[in-house]
Amino acid sequence: SQQGEEDPQALSIQEGENATMNCSYKTSINNLQWYRQNSGRGLVHLILIRSNEREKHSGRLRVTLDTSKKSSSLLITASRAADTASYFCATGEAAGNKLTFGGGTRVLVKP
Amino acid sequence: DTEVTQTPKHLVMGMTNKKSLKCEQHMGHRAMYWYKQKAKKPPELMFVYSYEKLSINESVPSRFSPECPNSSLLNLHLHALQPEDSALYLCASSQQGYHEQYFGPGTRLTVT
Repeated sequence: SQQGEEDPQALSIQEGENATMNCSYKTSINNLQWYRQNSGRGLVHLILIRSNEREKHSGRLRVTLDTSKKSSSLLITASRAADTASYFCATGEAAGNKLTFGGGTRVLVKP
Repeated sequence: DTEVTQTPKHLVMGMTNKKSLKCEQHMGHRAMYWYKQKAKKPPELMFVYSYEKLSINESVPSRFSPECPNSSLLNLHLHALQPEDSALYLCASSQQGYHEQYFGPGTRLTVT
């Protein structure tokens, strides 16, 4: 079953602009992760934020987590055409020993 | 080596065929997964193997049969599939189920 809802479902921006996408979830989590998927390919892990963390950075990526609102956001700064992909959030639940993926945000970065 | 490999990359099969998908990892991960993904949808978990034992079966029809011959290999045996089973099948591995998962490139399956 799908735990997370992502917003927006699709996003179109110009190269150099920032892209922000949001993820909401329903249950208690151990961590929240973001993955990228290029068209028809496997998913690539981008970043993991633990439930006791509020913000994390990795290169041009910034992730926030608000456990009180059960939500997270992913910011990609200074986007490039190569960032064109689908981005999925996934919640990690220790009790379930698995990840549950959100619906995804399709990002198009126009050169 | 942080790679998960999957074979074949593409597979076309008839509804009466029997085929197998294969997945391999050499990262020492003890959890391995099969996901099914339809176009423009998130991956849907099918099976989880933990320490070579099936730990999660997400109510998958019996025409899909997983097998974990050893800690590095994961197979998905397919039999009597339906056209609606056409999808991208992804294999992944991780240290624990809720940790970072490493995905293979997937097998694009078409059932005719």
